[in-house]
Amino acid sequence: ETGVTQSPTHLIKTRGQQVTLRCSSQSGHNTVSWYQQALGQGPQFIFQYYREEENGRGNFPPRFSGLQFPNYSSELNVNALELDDSALYLCASSPDSPSGQETQYFGPGTRLLVL
Amino acid sequence: GNSVTQMEGPVTLSEEAFLTINCTYTATGYPSLFWYVQYPGEGLQLLLKATKADDKGSNKGFEATYRKETTSFHLEKGSVQVSDSAVYFCALSEGNSGYALNFGKGTSLLVTP
Repeated sequence: ETGVTQSPTHLIKTRGQQVTLRCSSQSGHNTVSWYQQALGQGPQFIFQYYREEENGRGNFPPRFSGLQFPNYSSELNVNALELDDSALYLCASSPDSPSGQETQYFGPGTRLLVL
Repeated sequence: GNSVTQMEGPVTLSEEAFLTINCTYTATGYPSLFWYVQYPGEGLQLLLKATKADDKGSNKGFEATYRKETTSFHLEKGSVQVSDSAVYFCALSEGNSGYALNFGKGTSLLVTP
């Protein structure tokens, strides 16, 4: 039990629509990261937020955006959905560390299907 | 850039067999190394980690040693159980990439009774 929850668990959208996925981190975990995991692949880093500011981004287009809130919740928004956006979306949180490097704890994920 | 390469699966073993899953990495600095496990229909769980060369991570009978000279972090277990059936991911994180996790493609393990 990591204490990281995500909603919804499953979602079906059509191409061109917009979607918002939600994550609730553990209390005290000020860093949240989002990953996309296509079927049969390893997770790919989308972006990371620290104390409500984006502080790192992977190779994803701007239609992938995020927000982090002071209550340890966060959102991943995807605009203009494409068929290739069908995947499991994982949220991971980590506590502050003087070294800046701490273990990331994952939620169960949201499975998105784009038709 | 950073990358992780894992052995291709699926790996099928009989219960109580010895397990090795190979993982090698490419990094520009001094990464931390991780093994995560994903059971069917679930998210990722941290299995073990090592943060510097020659460190050994261990958990639930699994072990992996951070080998800088061979840039490897192979996962081993002396006697697998049916409940170990899952997908195993090797990953690294490094400061120059904001400590984002860089994953391998995963290795599926099936343990039969």
